Amino acid sequence: ETGVTQSPTHLIKTRGQQVTLRCSSQSGHNTVSWYQQALGQGPQFIFQYYREEENGRGNFPPRFSGLQFPNYSSELNVNALELDDSALYLCASSLLRGTAFFGQGTRLTVV
Amino acid sequence: DAKTTQPTSMDCAEGRAANLPCNHSTISGNEYVYWYRQIHSQGPQYIIHGLKNNETNEMASLIITEDRKSSTLILPHATLRDTAVYYCIVRVEETSGSRLTFGEGTQLTVNP
Repeated sequence: ETGVTQSPTHLIKTRGQQVTLRCSSQSGHNTVSWYQQALGQGPQFIFQYYREEENGRGNFPPRFSGLQFPNYSSELNVNALELDDSALYLCASSLLRGTAFFGQGTRLTVV
Repeated sequence: DAKTTQPTSMDCAEGRAANLPCNHSTISGNEYVYWYRQIHSQGPQYIIHGLKNNETNEMASLIITEDRKSSTLILPHATLRDTAVYYCIVRVEETSGSRLTFGEGTQLTVNP
């Protein structure tokens, strides 16, 4: 077990809706990264948060946004959901330049 | 990030060593080699990482060639539970943080 917990584990949303996914980081970690993994592909980096600020972003549109809280937990928000947003969303916690440990992910299905 | 090349799939007999190769010919001096694995529909699990020297932990050994252009992950006694997709990743240590760039990985199947 990594100590990184994500909620919910599964979620079904309708196209056009908004969704919020949550991640609690491992004790002592101050950095959270989010990844999207489509079926049959490797995880793709969305963005990273460090000290409550976005600290790097992958090739994802602005409707993907996030927050990090003082306790280092984090949220991923996706607006105007599209069918292609259906994926496993992974959260990883670490120290800023340390090894990343992943949670079990949230399976999002957009219908 | 430097690109890595891995075989798409490999098979291994239970109890034998599994040797998973990875090419990273464009690796730079400050880039680490990381290995993760992912069992179906679970989050990636960290295995091991290294910069120049060979590394060993309770899960695996990592052998990095002297020119650092390739590496091999060794699972000394593979079990059925080691069946997973194994990702070799070259990660840059940046002052602003770091990201992992996953490729397609190697599907390792351990057979009874």
